[in-house]
Amino acid sequence: SQQGEEDPQALSIQEGENATMNCSYKTSINNLQWYRQNSGRGLVHLILIRSNEREKHSGRLRVTLDTSKKSSSLLITASRAADTASYFCATDKGGGNKLTFGTGTQLKVEL
Amino acid sequence: GAGVSQTPSNKVTEKGKYVELRCDPISGHTALYWYRQSLGQGPEFLIYFQGTGAADDSGLPNDRFFAVRPEGSVSTLKIQRTERGDSAVYLCASSQVAGRETQYFGPGTRLLVL
Repeated sequence: SQQGEEDPQALSIQEGENATMNCSYKTSINNLQWYRQNSGRGLVHLILIRSNEREKHSGRLRVTLDTSKKSSSLLITASRAADTASYFCATDKGGGNKLTFGTGTQLKVEL
Repeated sequence: GAGVSQTPSNKVTEKGKYVELRCDPISGHTALYWYRQSLGQGPEFLIYFQGTGAADDSGLPNDRFFAVRPEGSVSTLKIQRTERGDSAVYLCASSQVAGRETQYFGPGTRLLVL
């Protein structure tokens, strides 16, 4: 079963704009990870944020985590057409690193 | 270095047939995971191996599904008496150590059961 949900389900923006995706989950976690998926195939790991962290940056990516609200957000700044993909959050509750994925946000960046 | 590889990339079979899906993890990774992703959904956990043993198989949907990793490297996911509902993309991932490391995913095997 899915642990959480991403919001929005789909997002369409112009190149150069920022894209924000949100993720909510249901149970306590060890860490939360964001992945990108192109064309419904392999997932690419973007960033991991641990339960004791509140914000993390990697290049044009910024992730926040609010464990009290059981939510996370992914911000992509200065988006590019190549950022077009589906984005998933995945939670790790610990004890083996089994990941539980959300339902995903489909991002389309138009030229 | 080489990433996770999966074969075949696509598999079409008939209802009731047996299929095997193969995963080659990144060399040296001790943990290996199988996930299944249906259209429009996020991946769902099936099973994970730490070395040769299945440490958690709680995600396998029923006893038609079985996976092995006899030498602690390559893994095979086996599906008996396939059903149309088994159609999905089957993803494999590996990590250096279970529980602390990023999982690296392969490109997946798209299974279609007619």
